[in-house]
Amino acid sequence: GEDVEQSLFLSVREGDSSVINCTYTDSSSTYLYWYKQEPGAGLQLLTYIFSNMDMKQDQRLTVLLNKKDKHLSLRIADTQTGDSAIYFCAESPNTGNQFYFGTGTSLTVIP
Amino acid sequence: EAGVTQFPSHSVIEKGQTVTLRCDPISGHDNLYWYRRVMGKEIKFLLHFVKESKQDESGMPNNRFLAERTGGTYSTLKVQPVELEDSGVYFCASSRGQVSYNEQFFGPGTRLTVL
Repeated sequence: GEDVEQSLFLSVREGDSSVINCTYTDSSSTYLYWYKQEPGAGLQLLTYIFSNMDMKQDQRLTVLLNKKDKHLSLRIADTQTGDSAIYFCAESPNTGNQFYFGTGTSLTVIP
Repeated sequence: EAGVTQFPSHSVIEKGQTVTLRCDPISGHDNLYWYRRVMGKEIKFLLHFVKESKQDESGMPNNRFLAERTGGTYSTLKVQPVELEDSGVYFCASSRGQVSYNEQFFGPGTRLTVL
């Protein structure tokens, strides 16, 4: 099956930029997603990128996609304590509707 | 608009018992999905309903797991009998049909602990 990999933990200081990385194996992915899970809550869609795009920016969030290397990253500018959460990368292949998720990266923002 | 809701939020049961999880999707969403996250690992797909029909159940671990969606509204996921390795967080998600980027709205999850 498809593999989606992420590092498990990331710590940054408040005000710095955070970069969360993800690699995936399915080259037929149509869309790639970033979800955020805060404690006790469900997964919230942060942003998504279509596979024919290289970059997408949405306020403090920048998504970069390197399709050749199958590498996706999420950059959060001016990271705040409210950004502390688990961030999941997910891909959706051309066939079917199921998502393939990574393990999640737990982001801790230090005041 | 109410989001996806799941019940219970937490269940602690002994090995060999039966547990039934419930998911209420967003009203009008034809697609309903079940996922599971075992501690520290990735979120894994279990199955997908379109209305009341099982579209894809390739992720169901074994025949101890039974999912239903009677009437195409809420869904239940029953595990009988539970085993220790079934512990984890079970997420439900729903989405509208026929949208290009298929945003799935997730519930808060049910944390299942098997003793």
